[in-house]
Amino acid sequence: AQKVTQAQTEISVVEKEDVTLDCVYETRDTTYYLFWYKQPPSGELVFLIRRNSFDEQNEISGRYSWNFQKSTSSFNFTITASQVVDSAVYFCALSEAGDYKLSFGAGTTVTVRA
Amino acid sequence: SAVISQKPSRDICQRGTSLTIQCQVDSQVTMMFWYRQQPGQSLTLIATANQGSEATYESGFVIDKFPISRPNLTFSTLTVSNMSPEDSSIYLCSVLRRGNTEAFFGQGTRLTVV
Repeated sequence: AQKVTQAQTEISVVEKEDVTLDCVYETRDTTYYLFWYKQPPSGELVFLIRRNSFDEQNEISGRYSWNFQKSTSSFNFTITASQVVDSAVYFCALSEAGDYKLSFGAGTTVTVRA
Repeated sequence: SAVISQKPSRDICQRGTSLTIQCQVDSQVTMMFWYRQQPGQSLTLIATANQGSEATYESGFVIDKFPISRPNLTFSTLTVSNMSPEDSSIYLCSVLRRGNTEAFFGQGTRLTVV
């Protein structure tokens, strides 16, 4: 069975600070996919990034970056120079090749204060 | 991304009644899923909606309580039957396009049972 753990329940920062969200996962599959989603107060779930298990290269996309380390089963996500509009609940999720069903972490609530 | 229209966006229902939620996608997708998000909680998969056949339910969810239809590749419905206050949640439709691994979500249906 797959499992996703987000140990941080809430993070509060002042605008322009960086925010790093932690995610640790468990899976028996060798091929799997990791995701970060954002859920603003309006409630919709917005896809942010995806990483495949066979690609550990870390990337930056605008103000978002991620650090995927298979050795520690971690998939951390960083928002650089945070803005008030980044305030939301962020979910880490995992799916295994073949069924694409998502297992979500508990979510981390990020509050960015002006 | 896919354009996903989910209706209704919210509803307040009397206990003992049923509500049918619709999910319409702008183009053909390979997979459709229904998730539930209870207040303050993460997302839990209810079932995979299979085109032209019975949905595949996750542990803890049964067809009598959550009947699902998917008559074609772009449309699915989820019914929440014989509702109780414990069914108050956000219900989200999710889709996958062929060749993609990231799922996109509808805006959700915020259900309150009184």
